[in-house]
Amino acid sequence: GAGVSQSPRYKVAKRGQDVALRCDPISGHVSLFWYQQALGQGPEFLTYFQNEAQLDKSGLPSDRFFAERPEGSVSTLKIQRTQQEDSAVYLCASSIQYEQYFGPGTRLTVT
Amino acid sequence: GDSVTQMEGPVTLSEEAFLTINCTYTATGYPSLFWYVQYPGEGLQLLLKATKADDKGSNKGFEATYRKETTSFHLEKGSVQVSDSAVYFCALSDSGSGAGSYQLTFGKGTKLSVIP
Repeated sequence: GAGVSQSPRYKVAKRGQDVALRCDPISGHVSLFWYQQALGQGPEFLTYFQNEAQLDKSGLPSDRFFAERPEGSVSTLKIQRTQQEDSAVYLCASSIQYEQYFGPGTRLTVT
Repeated sequence: GDSVTQMEGPVTLSEEAFLTINCTYTATGYPSLFWYVQYPGEGLQLLLKATKADDKGSNKGFEATYRKETTSFHLEKGSVQVSDSAVYFCALSDSGSGAGSYQLTFGKGTKLSVIP
């Protein structure tokens, strides 16, 4: 079956713009994670959903970051008033039990 | 909190050389351990995993053994190929942390280049 997909693959935003990043998980996967990967670093956890419930958002770096998964499938990560330090690759992963499957990521560049 | 420390790169090896990438961890609970690989232009892929002490994960000629006494999960391959050139990430998922989310904590990654 299809893997995790993310869109857009690349996004350039001017500082202060709002962006929305989409994740389509593997069908039937209950758990969904968002990670942020800065250049040359490992991914860092942002937030976690189990179905539509956001159970852990401890990794969100500021209140400008918001994530939702209203129907327990597709998820959107929204970043308001983007800053240069938000430039990174944003990874989505879905899972059954403890094995996570990653999407290709969205590379966000804030200019 | 949980953390993963892995060998800094980049690592450059000749084809058929032996590979070791060191990884150590700290965790509050009883973690599962993983190696992920990121090939150029591609997303993260699970390479191998081990869920309890003394387990050995293996895949594509790569191996890693979960050593609780040394809190380590070193990645090894006996004979690397050019196609193994990639960035390798060690990671843990701590089901005992109480968070319930099985989030992954990653190391910084080690870039491996294999030359013919």
